[in-house]
Amino acid sequence: LAKTTQPISMDSYEGQEVNITCSHNNIATNDYITWYQQFPSQGPRFIIQGYKTKVTNEVASLFIPADRKSSTLSLPRVSLSDTAVYYCLVGGFSGNTPLVFGKGTRLSVIA
Amino acid sequence: GAVVSQHPSWVICKSGTSVKIECRSLDFQATTMFWYRQFPKQSLMLMATSNEGSKATYEQGVEKDKFLINHASLTLSTLTVTSAHPEDSSFYICSASAQGANTGELFFGEGSRLTVL
Repeated sequence: LAKTTQPISMDSYEGQEVNITCSHNNIATNDYITWYQQFPSQGPRFIIQGYKTKVTNEVASLFIPADRKSSTLSLPRVSLSDTAVYYCLVGGFSGNTPLVFGKGTRLSVIA
Repeated sequence: GAVVSQHPSWVICKSGTSVKIECRSLDFQATTMFWYRQFPKQSLMLMATSNEGSKATYEQGVEKDKFLINHASLTLSTLTVTSAHPEDSSFYICSASAQGANTGELFFGEGSRLTVL
């Protein structure tokens, strides 16, 4: 599985847009890029997944450049409740493939 | 999305006792489930892959005799921490993917916090 690199932590004020970039230089052709959110003492929660270009859902957008060696999770207008750890994962997933977590990015949203 | 449920959500036990944690997929079948362990302020660490009807596959450094995994049905996997010691205190999380899924979205349980006194 491709190794990922993310900033260890980020701070943001409420209402701002937050962009978290993840590097995955060794991404393979059939790898997807998936982002998870984890609150303290809870299991990770799926946020968004993409393969290339841009993906948007009701909570976030995922930008993937043409070379796919990085990706950016964009959270619009964050609130205090978005304070969490965000994990970027890369892999050619099947139902039998575990997700290997990196260190993640600890986002702190300040009032 | 699909739901994965863990039980108990927290447990406190005495050193030397064994503790069983259950992981259930409530609305889908999962031939494979995964068990993770997470220490405070750290990331999730994969412990083992649980396969329905066969032996679990353990990651390097994880003692299979200490962390017994049973996956007796397509909706239930159990992790038993045998002869627990204080250093086994951690947050244990299971995950599963719906059978036949090919995009790899894993659904995670709520986690089970084990405290060994």
